[in-house]
Amino acid sequence: EVQLVESGGGLVQPGGSLRLSCAASGFSFGSYSMIWVRQAPGKGLEWISYISSSSTIYYADSVKGRFTISRDIAKNSLFLQMSSLRAEDTAVYYCVREDSRGWYFFDYWGQGTLVTVSS
Amino acid sequence: EIVLTQSPGTLSLSPGERATLSCRASRSVSSSYLAWYQQKPGQAPRLFIYGASSRATGIPDRFSGSGSATDYTLTISGLEPEDSAVYYCQSYGRSLWTFGQGTKVEIK
Repeated sequence: EVQLVESGGGLVQPGGSLRLSCAASGFSFGSYSMIWVRQAPGKGLEWISYISSSSTIYYADSVKGRFTISRDIAKNSLFLQMSSLRAEDTAVYYCVREDSRGWYFFDYWGQGTLVTVSS
Repeated sequence: EIVLTQSPGTLSLSPGERATLSCRASRSVSSSYLAWYQQKPGQAPRLFIYGASSRATGIPDRFSGSGSATDYTLTISGLEPEDSAVYYCQSYGRSLWTFGQGTKVEIK
């Protein structure tokens, strides 16, 4: 069974940093592209970062230069290092697996971890 | 960047009725790259439709997707109370993944 379990969320002050983790299991983690998607309270879904199986990386403009995605294949883990956090980064952050067919959709989602940026 | 516009914002229908949800893209997208997700309150989104018309594993056949180019539709034939949720379309283009703003389906 595919499982994605996020951790590391919490309350952080504006300008602060936070590192999110996602523990993956039930599939060959290194063979899949992984994504971070966030959802601000009461709002819609926003794609923010992507890392391929070969470590090609993309970011949404809203987080470029502030967030860094990485993965540790040996530990079956995905990470999101967030810095210079702003109030508008407050959201539930989902770890997501991209389907392997090359059709750019998301077949498994974690339960999410809440990040609150506030003083 | 592709912009996806979903309509209506909210759909309020009775059990057994048909729901038609629209997703319009700002420019043509490959039908292979159009997906639909369902999200219930307090839950993560769940893949429902991929490749514009293929149902994901375990999705009832009352859900169907169609469309091409800039216009895509998710149809729910015979609404059930458990179909109450927000539905998002999603696409991809030029190294960017995009979601529509969502359509909320309410069951009267």
